[in-house]
Amino acid sequence: EADIYQTPRYLVIGTGKKITLECSQTMGHDKMYWYQQDPGMELHLIHYSYGVNSTEKGDLSSESTVSRIRTEHFPLTLESARPSHTSQYLCASSGGQEILNEQFFGPGTRLTVL
Amino acid sequence: QKEVEQNSGPLSVPEGAIASLNCTYSDRGSQSFFWYRQYSGKSPELIMSIYSNGDKEDGRFTAQLNKASQYVSLLIRDSQPSDSATYLCAVGGSARQLTFGSGTQLTVLP
Repeated sequence: EADIYQTPRYLVIGTGKKITLECSQTMGHDKMYWYQQDPGMELHLIHYSYGVNSTEKGDLSSESTVSRIRTEHFPLTLESARPSHTSQYLCASSGGQEILNEQFFGPGTRLTVL
Repeated sequence: QKEVEQNSGPLSVPEGAIASLNCTYSDRGSQSFFWYRQYSGKSPELIMSIYSNGDKEDGRFTAQLNKASQYVSLLIRDSQPSDSATYLCAVGGSARQLTFGSGTQLTVLP
């Protein structure tokens, strides 16, 4: 079944740790996105990729980095986690004609940095 | 002025009523329009997409688009308590990204 997956779903970690949030999709989509969303607040685009070896920063400045070595995989890394990174991180993907632009979201990773 | 604005909530309607959610956008070149539903603590779920002027119906949901007025709306007929969620309007333009509104929280009262 075509889907988009995120792991872990929940992560509690101490300050200074390096973490990688995983995102994979089996939808055959070329475009992938990372959003950050605090509870009850707006979605903020932090990274996006239009294909392998293509990554760009989004509207919201983020200390995280991403990579796109395989079409289906778009991990996000925080080199040194801080309490300010506590948030929900949502991965999305999109494919097909660009005018359609439908994005489908994974279940999200809720990150808490102590 | 924000690029995508939604009517400020929260919005409460009684069960069985019609809920009306509104969204305006500033980029006249926008070509694709979406409504997402987001339950508390969950990720957004795409429920409607619309690309041309007029109405598009899917079950109890109707999306309405008026490009001249730069306005898109979502009507939910026969509202159910399970419709209680935050509804996000998203607009796509020439860029391959979506611009999201801040959302309208809907509560359907039993």
